[in-house]
Amino acid sequence: SAVISQKPSRDICQRGTSLTIQCQVDSQVTMMFWYRQQPGQSLTLIATANQGSEATYESGFVIDKFPISRPNLTFSTLTVSNMSPEDSSIYLCSVGAGQGIAGEKLFFGSGTQLSVL
Amino acid sequence: AQTVTQSQPEMSVQEAETVTLSCTYDTSENNYYLFWYKQPPSRQMILVIRQEAYKQQNATENRFSVNFQKAAKSFSLKISDSQLGDTAMYFCAFMKHVQGGSEKLVFGKGTKLTVNP
Repeated sequence: SAVISQKPSRDICQRGTSLTIQCQVDSQVTMMFWYRQQPGQSLTLIATANQGSEATYESGFVIDKFPISRPNLTFSTLTVSNMSPEDSSIYLCSVGAGQGIAGEKLFFGSGTQLSVL
Repeated sequence: AQTVTQSQPEMSVQEAETVTLSCTYDTSENNYYLFWYKQPPSRQMILVIRQEAYKQQNATENRFSVNFQKAAKSFSLKISDSQLGDTAMYFCAFMKHVQGGSEKLVFGKGTKLTVNP
């Protein structure tokens, strides 16, 4: 399995500001995924982050709002920009089983609880 | 596009009894994986069990087992000898097979399970 550290665990932010969430993995992974879980809802994929290439965004999510960095095979960041109360959610990063191995198992970080006032 | 349906928003069970959570999915893929994740109030997503679509044998992990019916596109989770610690949201998820890599998960809306003493 992969051990994933996600920071911060929670934050309360003012509207109009930005927050960067970090995801650190204890092993090299090819694919990293960022999900959003709105209050009382299921998880929705925001984007897929590959090392060395631009992130791939799902329908309804744009790079200007959710810029992603993937500088190496163990680390990624997601920024929530120009926040509004509608961005209040849990944000989770997820990784596959490991580089070069079919990622039949996906593991999750502990999530970031974001509240926007 | 794949869809995952969990028709039971909430369920409850007495401690030590058995409960079954339902999940159906829709896909045109032939090779894929199915998962059950548990999310307790700590919001950590915990992998409970997974099933490869090409395997006819149902997956089992201790007290957790699945009933995988590929033709019916059904993937239910049975929890035996329920424990108080099983209280959580349970999400059914689908991932299509990608050679040598990971793919995104498509989640159902979840079932809130309460185990009563």
